[in-house]
Amino acid sequence: GEDVEQSLFLSVREGDSSVINCTYTDSSSTYLYWYKQEPGAGLQLLTYIFSNMDMKQDQRLTVLLNKKDKHLSLRIADTQTGDSAIYFCAETHPGSGGYQKVTFGTGTKLQVIP
Amino acid sequence: GAGVSQSPSNKVTEKGKDVELRCDPISGHTALYWYRQRLGQGLEFLIYFQGNSAPDKSGLPSDRFSAERTGESVSTLTIQRTQQEDSAVYLCASSTRTGINIQYFGAGTRLSVL
Repeated sequence: GEDVEQSLFLSVREGDSSVINCTYTDSSSTYLYWYKQEPGAGLQLLTYIFSNMDMKQDQRLTVLLNKKDKHLSLRIADTQTGDSAIYFCAETHPGSGGYQKVTFGTGTKLQVIP
Repeated sequence: GAGVSQSPSNKVTEKGKDVELRCDPISGHTALYWYRQRLGQGLEFLIYFQGNSAPDKSGLPSDRFSAERTGESVSTLTIQRTQQEDSAVYLCASSTRTGINIQYFGAGTRLSVL
């Protein structure tokens, strides 16, 4: 079945760049997402990329997609303490019932050290 | 409402008791999803509603789990004869189910089975 893998933990110093990596198995993925989860809260969409794109930039966020290797990354420039959270990679694929089913990764906990 | 609302935010129950978890999606969102998030793990898909029907309930772990949705709005997830392994955060999300299928999440219900 579909599988999305992430490393569990990343620690960076404030002001440095953070790079969170994700690999997925479904070659028919249409959209790929990055969600952010702060403590005690639900997930919130950060950004997304279409599977026919290589890169997307949105302010401090840069998403890179290597479709051949099924590898997605999220780069956060000038990381701040407010960026400390769990980051989930997710991809869509056709699910039963004729909809785009979303499979989430295991999440990467980002710790920003002041 | 302005966002996805879940109640209760916390639930402590004894093993063997039944529990009901409630989700109020964003008004007008036809799609509704339930996920389970065990401590330190990613999101586990449980069930998807389109309107009041559930075309994909493939993630329900056992027949102790059931869900319904009424009025194309509120959804209830029921767990019968709770077990300690049911302890987790249960997240609800809703979406318009169009295009990129951005899911909007509630803050979740933290269920603890003693």
